[in-house]
Amino acid sequence: TQTVSQSDAHVTVFEGDSVELRCNYSYGGSIYLSWYIQHHGHGLQFLLKYYSGNPVVQGVNGFEAEFSKSDSSFHLRKASVHWSDSAVYFCAVSAPGGNYKPTFGKGTSLVVHP
Amino acid sequence: NAGVIQTPRHKVTGKGQEATLWCEPISGHSAVFWYRQTIVQGLEFLTYFRNQAPIDDSGMPKERFSAQMPNQSHSTLKIQSTQPQDSAVYLCASSLEGYAEQFFGPGTRLTVL
Repeated sequence: TQTVSQSDAHVTVFEGDSVELRCNYSYGGSIYLSWYIQHHGHGLQFLLKYYSGNPVVQGVNGFEAEFSKSDSSFHLRKASVHWSDSAVYFCAVSAPGGNYKPTFGKGTSLVVHP
Repeated sequence: NAGVIQTPRHKVTGKGQEATLWCEPISGHSAVFWYRQTIVQGLEFLTYFRNQAPIDDSGMPKERFSAQMPNQSHSTLKIQSTQPQDSAVYLCASSLEGYAEQFFGPGTRLTVL
């Protein structure tokens, strides 16, 4: 069974700050890891994905995430946030062994003050 | 490409009534997912179709909830005898393959009075 944990329910930063949103997972085999963003009142939008290869993946709008097998983590980062990055961010995992059924974390609400 | 279409956007039902939610996936996508989102429970997986066949419905409440995908252009989620605890935003998503990035619709906000 795959699980995913987002340890921070809320993160508050100022515009121009860097930010890291944490995601940890547990699963014994190959796994797909993704991040999604949800602005208030909208559905989720895909940011980036990792399955294999370079552990640092680039996404849209300056986001990147780094996979660490040793830490079972897939943290999302952005070097300089904008107020429009305020949203809820979800980490998701799915595995071939689980029929690709996705499991989402509980989300991290990011608030960026101007 | 209009994206994933969900109708209605808002639905209000009385306790005990039936609610049917519609989802039109992106053309060419083989996988369709349904989720329920609430403040308390967060984003919950309900069910998943691939090439119209049900793959995993482990998140569906065993009673009153059912989902179908009669053709590749739409899926429905039906809730019989709705209860106040069914109030939530129901999200539909589609993807090219089961492992690929999912494209979400705007959701249907169901309110059961």
